[in-house]
Amino acid sequence: DAGVTQSPTHLIKTRGQQVTLRCSPKSGHDTVSWYQQALGQGPQFIFQYYEEEERQRGNFPDRFSGHQFPNYSSELNVNALLLGDSALYLCASSSTGHYGYTFGSGTRLTVV
Amino acid sequence: AQKITQTQPGMFVQEKEAVTLDCTYDTSDPSYGLFWYKQPSSGEMIFLIYQGSYDQQNATEGRYSLNFQKARKSANLVISASQLGDSAMYFCAMRPKMDTGRRALTFGSGTRLQVQP
Repeated sequence: DAGVTQSPTHLIKTRGQQVTLRCSPKSGHDTVSWYQQALGQGPQFIFQYYEEEERQRGNFPDRFSGHQFPNYSSELNVNALLLGDSALYLCASSSTGHYGYTFGSGTRLTVV
Repeated sequence: AQKITQTQPGMFVQEKEAVTLDCTYDTSDPSYGLFWYKQPSSGEMIFLIYQGSYDQQNATEGRYSLNFQKARKSANLVISASQLGDSAMYFCAMRPKMDTGRRALTFGSGTRLQVQP
């Protein structure tokens, strides 16, 4: 049973560019959440998708946007990249009615 | 708003000894869930243990136990019989209870545990 799959694992982008990160949830999970983890810090909640809609959003600017597809997979898009966007981006999936979250191994984004 | 505080940036423990990682929290939600995750250098967050705010007994999962003191708003993780493979970052997290519809996790800043042979 595959867990949460994220791609790519590593990415280097130039300031001002745009990036798309992808996440496939664990089988049976219908909700996807995205987190940003800066070096040496705990993860910060970006947003959560359920039934292809953004259900909750953290304190992140509109440059961060997302999408959920009918098969529950999700994308995180970041426009106009800043050096401060360099971080590990974690995807977590869960299912309605259960408390458990399953995390992927993350995408490490470096903005230069 | 919810807040998690982990006051130990780093901890050392000898192999086979027990260690306690501290976590205090603050929330206005009447019911909530508390989690501990382990993050090795690979980056993946590995779920360790969960405690619901109205659970009568402290949670246990193998070598992991959660010392939950609701009045003190603390949820410390106890790892018994430490192993070298336990060396990692440990995060305490919480979220409002499921039926509120808000399921975002709030994380602390983490504790780096190093197990020495």
